[in-house]
This record gives sequence, structure tokens and C-alpha cells, in this order.
Amino acid sequence: DVKVTQSSRYLVKRTGEKVFLECVQDMDHENMFWYRQDPGLGLRLIYFSYDVKMKEKGDIPEGYSVSREKKERFSLILESASTNQTSMYLCASSLYGGPPSYEQYFGPGTRLTVT
Amino acid sequence: AQSVAQPEDQVNVAEGNPLTVKCTYSVSGNPYLFWYVQYPNRGLQFLLKYITGDNLVKGSYGFEAEFNKSQTSFHLKKPSALVSDSALYFCAVRDGNYGGSQGNLIFGKGTKLSVKP
Repeated sequence: DVKVTQSSRYLVKRTGEKVFLECVQDMDHENMFWYRQDPGLGLRLIYFSYDVKMKEKGDIPEGYSVSREKKERFSLILESASTNQTSMYLCASSLYGGPPSYEQYFGPGTRLTVT
Repeated sequence: AQSVAQPEDQVNVAEGNPLTVKCTYSVSGNPYLFWYVQYPNRGLQFLLKYITGDNLVKGSYGFEAEFNKSQTSFHLKKPSALVSDSALYFCAVRDGNYGGSQGNLIFGKGTKLSVKP
């Protein structure tokens, strides 16, 4: 079974802090994704990566950055956390290639609260 | 532009009754369609997908979905609902015309399913 793990289930940070959210997958997937989930807005893509050291902006990249130094690990960074970044953050991974690989596998999520 | 719509924020069903959670999509190419389920404070779990072939797709936990090209719909169904099916359900679509960065999944806003005993 594919396993995607996230470093924290719950996190509380103060405004202005630098925050790191870590995601690790164990299935050698090329693609990795960071989403945020907010009530009534569904999932919105922040950043994704299709290879080591490669990254692309999603729909809402402002205020975030990412790092992918190893294939299995994809980090989301909030350079200076703000209260409007309070949300559930979901990491996902998938294979790179044709239609059978479009399925994404999700981690359990990190609920971040910025006070 | 690619999009997916889940027209109902919430669906209420009595246990043992059939359930339907609706999803419609808009893409320019062939659609690749997915349903995911999310239990409280958990990540999304894959339920089923339509890539090609039979319009009726069977998935996990007794769920199925019917791809209807003329109505651009992919409704999720189950013949007999269980209280344990209560969760948030997401439909997602990928446009087959796009590869690379333009080919990511587009998710609906989610439908909360509540099954009462």
C-alpha cells in the first residue's frame, strides 16, 4: 500500500513564525502535491513537484514556498505565518505518466492554527 | 477551462436507503474522473475512478459511479447506505487534453453525506 505521512497532525504557531510542513511518501512517486482545504472551498493546490528540485506553482502559491531535495520528501514552508493561513494542509503523491497514474494518494493532513 | 461541480453541500439519507452524490464536470478533452472520501480529521481516501471503458465503475465499500458523457456527469451511488458512510465526498477531474502542469486534478468543493439510523 502507498503510504504518505505528514510530520504533524496538529500544529499551533504564532503570527510571523516560519513554519515547515513535511511530507514523505514511500512508493517512489515522481509527483508530489500540497493542498490546503478550507470549508466551502474544497481543495486548492498550493504547489506541486514532478521531480527532485523541480516545483511549479498551483492556484494559490502566495505566502508559501516548497522544497524537494529528495524524491520521497516534499516540504511546504510558510515564510512568515499569518492568521489567514490557518487551515488543513494535505500532501499527496502520484506516479508520473499516463492515465492510470493520475490517481493521487493523500496523507492524513496537518491542521495548522496560526494565532 | 476545466471545472467540476458538486451542486449539493449536504445530502441526508436514512440508513438502508439508496444514496446519490452528484458531480458534473467541464473539460475540453476526455475526462478522467475520481471520487474520494474524507472522514473527520483525516486525509482523502480513493474510492473509484473512470479512465475508459464501462460507464459503470465499481469501487471500495460498495460504492459505484456512472459516467454519463452526454450529461457530463459522474454521480456516486450506493444501493444501501450505512451510518458509517457519513463523511465528506470529493469529486475530481483531469482533462485528457492536457499533460504536465496543466493536467493536475481539479477537485469539487465536497458534499457532506449524513446517514441517519
